[in-house]
Amino acid sequence: AQSVTQPDIHITVSEGASLELRCNYSYGATPYLFWYVQSPGQGLQLLLKYFSGDTLVQGIKGFEAEFKRSQSSFNLRKPSVHWSDAAEYFCAVGSLNDMRFGAGTRLTVKP
Amino acid sequence: EAGVAQSPRYKIIEKRQSVAFWCNPISGHATLYWYQQILGQGPKLLIQFQNNGVVDDSQLPKDRFSAERLKGVDSTLKIQPAKLEDSAVYLCASSPAEGGARDTQYFGPGTRLTVL
Repeated sequence: AQSVTQPDIHITVSEGASLELRCNYSYGATPYLFWYVQSPGQGLQLLLKYFSGDTLVQGIKGFEAEFKRSQSSFNLRKPSVHWSDAAEYFCAVGSLNDMRFGAGTRLTVKP
Repeated sequence: EAGVAQSPRYKIIEKRQSVAFWCNPISGHATLYWYQQILGQGPKLLIQFQNNGVVDDSQLPKDRFSAERLKGVDSTLKIQPAKLEDSAVYLCASSPAEGGARDTQYFGPGTRLTVL
């Protein structure tokens, strides 16, 4: 069965610093991979997705993610974090009609 | 374009009571999803509708949970009777096409349920 692991429950970075959120998945074939962001009291918003092709995917709000098949990873990155990026981030893996989410990483941004 | 609407936003009930949540998807979206998000966890799919038919309800606790999507538009999710472990945020999402993992899902703000 497919699964998603986000090893970091909580990450704190300073505003302007770079960010990398880790995501590892388990799936037999090439999965569809997603990153969502959830701000307090809000629903989830899609940041980016990967289906095939170029392994470096650009998303909204300056985020990007890189698919590494050999490491079964799909890490999310941003070169310079803004205070408004503070939120919960979820990695998800999908196949056919099934979508599995990781437990999330909470991002705190220090001024 | 209006987003996915959910009501109520918050609900507090006692165990063994019944509760219902309502979802209005984005206009024209064929597929509707209900997720349960327990504190500290990622969302878990409960049920997926394509138009007004059920595509997947394998993780829906059918002894107490039920859902329907009338006329392929609005949907309601009901819990009867509620248990303490049902305390969670219930998220509704919709997608424009026929479902499937490639389809982008648009989420509503959720309903936070507290069972005392």
